[in-house]
Amino acid sequence: EVQLVESGGGLVQPGRSLKLSCAASGFTFSNYGMAWVRQTPTKGLEWVASISTGGGNTYYRDSVKGRFTISRDNAKNTQYLQMDSLRSEDTATYYCARQGIRGPRAWFAYWGQGTLVTVSS
Amino acid sequence: DIVMTQGALPNPVPSGESVSITCRSSKSLLYSDGKTYLNWYLQRPGQSPQLLIYWMSTRASGVSDRFSGSGSGTDFTLKISGVEAEDVGVYYCQQGLELYTFGAGTKLELK
Repeated sequence: EVQLVESGGGLVQPGRSLKLSCAASGFTFSNYGMAWVRQTPTKGLEWVASISTGGGNTYYRDSVKGRFTISRDNAKNTQYLQMDSLRSEDTATYYCARQGIRGPRAWFAYWGQGTLVTVSS
Repeated sequence: DIVMTQGALPNPVPSGESVSITCRSSKSLLYSDGKTYLNWYLQRPGQSPQLLIYWMSTRASGVSDRFSGSGSGTDFTLKISGVEAEDVGVYYCQQGLELYTFGAGTKLELK
C-alpha cells in the first residue's frame, strides 16, 4: 500500500524558514517523480514544486521560485520542501504527492494527509 | 499559465441521478504524442484529493466505472452515472501539459 506521510508543518513568523518532509513507502521511491501541492480555502489547490526521479530536475511555481527548494533522498525514501522567506500568502495545507509516471506531464496518483503551515506574526 | 475553469452543479442532486461536471482550459491540452493531459480528482470532506481520471479518459486503479471522462482539446466532462453517497465532495480538473494548474473545484451535494 502506498503511503506518504508529511511532517514539519507549524506556525512560523513571516520571513522565517520551515522544512517539510515526506516519508514514502509501499512503492519504489526512486522510480517516480514527486511533488508538493498546497491548498487554501481561498485559492484552492496550487501545485508548488516537482522533482524528477533522480533529483536532477526541479520545477517551481513562479510565486515560490528563489524561496522554496524541493529535494529528495532516494536512500531514505523521503522528499523535502525547504521554505525560506515565508510570507503570509504561503499559509496553506501542504500535500506530498507521488506522480503517476517518471517524467513530465504527469498526474498526482497518490497524496499524503497534508501538513498545515501557518505564516503569521 | 493555462487557466482551468470549472462549471457548477445544480445541488443538491438526487441519489441515483447521473451528473456531468465540466472543465475548460485556456489552451488545448492535446499534446503531439496524441494524449490529452487532463486529470480529474475527488476530494471528499475532510480527506486529501484522490485521483479519478488521467489522460482525459483513463480511470485510475480502483476507480468505479460509474466515473467516465471525455472531451476535446479544451473542453472536458467528467460524468458520474448514478450518484451515490460516497461521491459527495469537491471535484477538481487539472492540466498536466505545462507544469500543473487546477480548476477551482465543483461541489457535489446529495439530496
